[in-house]
Amino acid sequence: QSALTQPASMSGSPGQSITISCTGTSSDVGYYNYVSWYQQHPGKAPKLMIYDVSNRPSGVSNRFSGSKSGNTASLTISGLQAEDEADYFCTSYTSSSTLVFGGGTKLTVL
Amino acid sequence: QVQLVQSGAEVKKPGASVKVSCKASGYTFTSYYIHWVRQAPGQGLEWMGMINPSGGTTSYPQKFQGRVTMTRDTSTSTVYMELSSLRSEDTAVYYCARDLNSGGAFFCLDYWGQGTLVTVSS
Repeated sequence: QSALTQPASMSGSPGQSITISCTGTSSDVGYYNYVSWYQQHPGKAPKLMIYDVSNRPSGVSNRFSGSKSGNTASLTISGLQAEDEADYFCTSYTSSSTLVFGGGTKLTVL
Repeated sequence: QVQLVQSGAEVKKPGASVKVSCKASGYTFTSYYIHWVRQAPGQGLEWMGMINPSGGTTSYPQKFQGRVTMTRDTSTSTVYMELSSLRSEDTAVYYCARDLNSGGAFFCLDYWGQGTLVTVSS
């Protein structure tokens, strides 16, 4: 199972919005609504930000939102803040009953 | 509060095995699947499989079949991940993580352990 495709890096200024994409296939992202997004700060464990494409766990800021179209899922962060600078990973359930991760996107807040 | 506490760092020689533990607390241990995920230095995340603490059933991706074994001890609410035939490419931080859903795997990980660094070096 190949990893999902994410841009390696993105950047934005405080207050701006950015959208990170996550492209899979019809055997994972395109077929199932089991797409999640994780935030990881250096040296820390990942933190769940979005699950089931667009649901936010309790305690996650509503500046984070998720969506999906076809084989591509997206994470949008609005009102960028310095604390949002981190790595972001997407995941999807697959037709092989496995979990596949994206390669990760390093977000820099300028 | 939900906590997953992992065992400490390990240094192993190529060809050896390593066993990492993950002790759960703050919830009903047998109600939630536990997944294992690893991250090589400076790299992305990789799913290694999962275990149902209730019955002990496991599921591993093809890449790790035959080399990884996940077990659990319900008396201590602890899950174990053993990786054998270690090679340098297995050097990574290994995480356990709880599935979001009780009663079945949603492949969505809501609580994570602190990570265990396993270094494979001769």
